[in-house]
Amino acid sequence: DTGVSQNPRHKITKRGQNVTFRCDPISEHNRLYWYRQTLGQGPEFLTYFQNEAQLEKSRLLSDRFSAERPKGSFSTLEIQRTEQGDSAMYLCASSLIGQGAKTQYFGPGTRLLVL
Amino acid sequence: KQEVTQIPAALSVPEGENLVLNCSFTDSAIYNLQWFRQDPGKGLTSLLLIQSSQREQTSGRLNASLDKSSGRSTLYIAASQPGDSATYLCAVDRGGYSTLTFGKGTMLLVSP
Repeated sequence: DTGVSQNPRHKITKRGQNVTFRCDPISEHNRLYWYRQTLGQGPEFLTYFQNEAQLEKSRLLSDRFSAERPKGSFSTLEIQRTEQGDSAMYLCASSLIGQGAKTQYFGPGTRLLVL
Repeated sequence: KQEVTQIPAALSVPEGENLVLNCSFTDSAIYNLQWFRQDPGKGLTSLLLIQSSQREQTSGRLNASLDKSSGRSTLYIAASQPGDSATYLCAVDRGGYSTLTFGKGTMLLVSP
């Protein structure tokens, strides 16, 4: 069990540029979640996948945001035409559907700064 | 809409003290509640998960309780250590296959 990994760990970009983040969940975890966290706040849900299907999207996920999870393994989160308000930590988590409790395991996050 | 509140926002204690962190939520129809730890600039580490049918969970020096009817949970840390310094986040799951709603966290500083 190598844990959830995210790349890159840090990204600085200029306003208007597109950025893409990657998340590799724990092997065999069928659920994958994206959250966004700004300074001094708790994480806020963006979207989640069960296998390759995107099952829910938050109203926070504007049409500039798109997420994919091809083949139900890793996931990518793309932000088009970035704005300064997109600056945040983007967290990925994964979990395994099954009997009992469903702990979500989080990755280290990708910190985005939009200049 | 579910809202999660954590009190206090920040807490500073000397090493060795026992302490309690509080979490309240507005909608008691939850599936489970999780406590996480977050170190500065890092991701979240799950500490304890309490299912809605349970009253408490323990792990080492940590004990979490849940009173679903009153919409409250507490995280008790015994014999605090400087290594416990971090932000502690409470999150509720509204459904068995759903997403988490987080509080803003309690920033804990344990001084030697």
